[in-house]
Amino acid sequence: GENVEQHPSTLSVQEGDSAVIKCTYSDSASNYFPWYKQELGKRPQLIIDIRSNVGEKKDQRIAVTLNKTAKHFSLHITETQPEDSAVYFCAAHNQGGKLIFGQGTELSVKP
Amino acid sequence: DSGVTQTPKHLITATGQRVTLRCSPRSGDLSVYWYQQSLDQGLQFLIQYYNGEERAKGNILERFSAQQFPDLHSELNLSSLELGDSALYFCASSVVPAGNTGELFFGEGSRLTVL
Repeated sequence: GENVEQHPSTLSVQEGDSAVIKCTYSDSASNYFPWYKQELGKRPQLIIDIRSNVGEKKDQRIAVTLNKTAKHFSLHITETQPEDSAVYFCAAHNQGGKLIFGQGTELSVKP
Repeated sequence: DSGVTQTPKHLITATGQRVTLRCSPRSGDLSVYWYQQSLDQGLQFLIQYYNGEERAKGNILERFSAQQFPDLHSELNLSSLELGDSALYFCASSVVPAGNTGELFFGEGSRLTVL
């Protein structure tokens, strides 16, 4: 069945450093790859997404890259700030309508 | 505020009992998704509805059922509850039809505790 693997499960960086979170997916028919941020005790919220016809997308300090051949996509956060601390989830959407999430990465940005 | 309303916010019940979680999607959204988030777990996809019809099913237990009503609100029914069912249950809605892609707007979740 569909599966999304996300690494690392925890990530600690110093303020100002970059953070990278990686995901792989199993369903080659997946065509949409969003990233959600969930702050402690809050609901997940979309921060960026990428579709299968694009290799890279950037929005200020965050960027996402997609390698369809390798079935791999990554989230890059530059110049991290303490308010970036949260759990980040990648997801893959297949044509069957399922949006499958990875297990999450707990990012901690130390001042 | 995402515009997605979930009730109740918290629910404590005993093993063997049955509960119903309710979700009202954003105005105009036809798709409703249910996810389960257990401690230290990701978001497990349960089921999706579009305009009243079931469109996609995940690893939803047979003890669980859901439906979407004509007014587009959805209910998730959990029966014969077990300790392991304790989790945060999220509802999300989307404006796009099933099979297409777009942002999911999550509710605040219903935290279920089974004692």
